[in-house]
Amino acid sequence: AQSVTQPDIHITVSEGASLELRCNYSYGATPYLFWYVQSPGQGLQLLLKYFSGDTLVQGIKGFEAEFKRSQSSFNLRKPSVHWSDAAEYFCAVGAYYGGSQGNLIFGKGTKLSVKP
Amino acid sequence: NAGVTQTPKFQVLKTGQSMTLQCAQDMNHEYMSWYRQDPGMGLRLIHYSVGAGITDQGEVPNGYNVSRSTTEDFPLRLLSAAPSQTSVYFCASSPKTGTGGQPQHFGDGTRLSIL
Repeated sequence: AQSVTQPDIHITVSEGASLELRCNYSYGATPYLFWYVQSPGQGLQLLLKYFSGDTLVQGIKGFEAEFKRSQSSFNLRKPSVHWSDAAEYFCAVGAYYGGSQGNLIFGKGTKLSVKP
Repeated sequence: NAGVTQTPKFQVLKTGQSMTLQCAQDMNHEYMSWYRQDPGMGLRLIHYSVGAGITDQGEVPNGYNVSRSTTEDFPLRLLSAAPSQTSVYFCASSPKTGTGGQPQHFGDGTRLSIL
């Protein structure tokens, strides 16, 4: 069965420091992978997606993620964090086959706090 | 272009009451879904639809009904509200392609409290 694990529930980084949020997935084939961000009281906004091809994908707001098949990982990175990046981040894997196309399985999220 | 619109934004119900959460999208997306978000649980899929007239259950369907009579609308019905259904509900949509994997567009959510 598909699953997504985000090992870190809460991370605190200083403004200007680099950031890496971890995501591990379980899926039987090449997955579709996504990172979403949720600001307090808001819906989810897509940061980036991986479907195929180059394993390093660029997203909005200066984020990038790297797909590593051997490690079943899709970690999110940002070289320099801004205070406005404080939010909750969700990794998700998408179904490929049949009637469940479009379904996303979400991790439980990582809450990012940014220290001034 | 409004995207995905959810109404109401907030609602308080008493145990046993029924209500319908509305969801509409104006992007002509075939796929629509409902999730609930609870602290520490991420988003869990309640029901989804791959087109008008077609619905199916997700991970946590009990206590909820859906229908899809048009491409645009996908309402979620609570037949007899229970305190365990206190949650934030999100509706999402995406185009359906032959290979799936399209990112979903989310509404802003409905915050529902059951007393």
